[in-house]
Amino acid sequence: EAGVAQSPRYKIIEKRQSVAFWCNPISGHATLYWYQQILGQGPKLLIQFQNNGVVDDSQLPKDRFSAERLKGVDSTLKIQPAKLEDSAVYLCASGAYGYTFGSGTRLTVV
Amino acid sequence: KQEVTQIPAALSVPEGENLVLNCSFTDSAIYNLQWFRQDPGKGLTSLLLIQSSQREQTSGRLNASLDKSSGRSTLYIAASQPGDSATYLCAVRQDDYKLSFGAGTTVTVRA
Repeated sequence: EAGVAQSPRYKIIEKRQSVAFWCNPISGHATLYWYQQILGQGPKLLIQFQNNGVVDDSQLPKDRFSAERLKGVDSTLKIQPAKLEDSAVYLCASGAYGYTFGSGTRLTVV
Repeated sequence: KQEVTQIPAALSVPEGENLVLNCSFTDSAIYNLQWFRQDPGKGLTSLLLIQSSQREQTSGRLNASLDKSSGRSTLYIAASQPGDSATYLCAVRQDDYKLSFGAGTTVTVRA
């Protein structure tokens, strides 16, 4: 079974620029998550999709973050404009029972 | 709101010693609990998943126990090796599919 694919692996941008991350979940997994992990902390849920509908985005900073899941498969997470405090690893996960995580995208905002 | 706590935050042991990692959660109405390993700069690798109806799960040198009523889980790693050095994260899933993480325990196994 192929894992959860994420790209890019690394991204460095200046503050106020925009950035987008992509995730391809495991085939057949209806639930997809985006997590933000700041150095030294556990992952924090940003948004949860069930198929292409949003189940929970209560912790997503909607003034700058947006996410969509196309046709209930791939998903993109966008930040516009980025702030210094957005520097983190962004993890995508999918699952039906247990969860499988991608390798993450490490974002550095300078 | 579910709160997950992992103690200790960091642990350093000599090779061969057994490891005991603790996880506690505030809301016992969980669906399952999963232990993950995270290497520096990498994603999360699932180690063990325990259903709410189970008491423990084992995989090789790893054993995880769950006491749902007291809100606790323990991950045991027998005969630790330098390759076990990593951060170990505990995550609790509730019926609404939400997954709540602890901050992790960073383990260093000294050769």
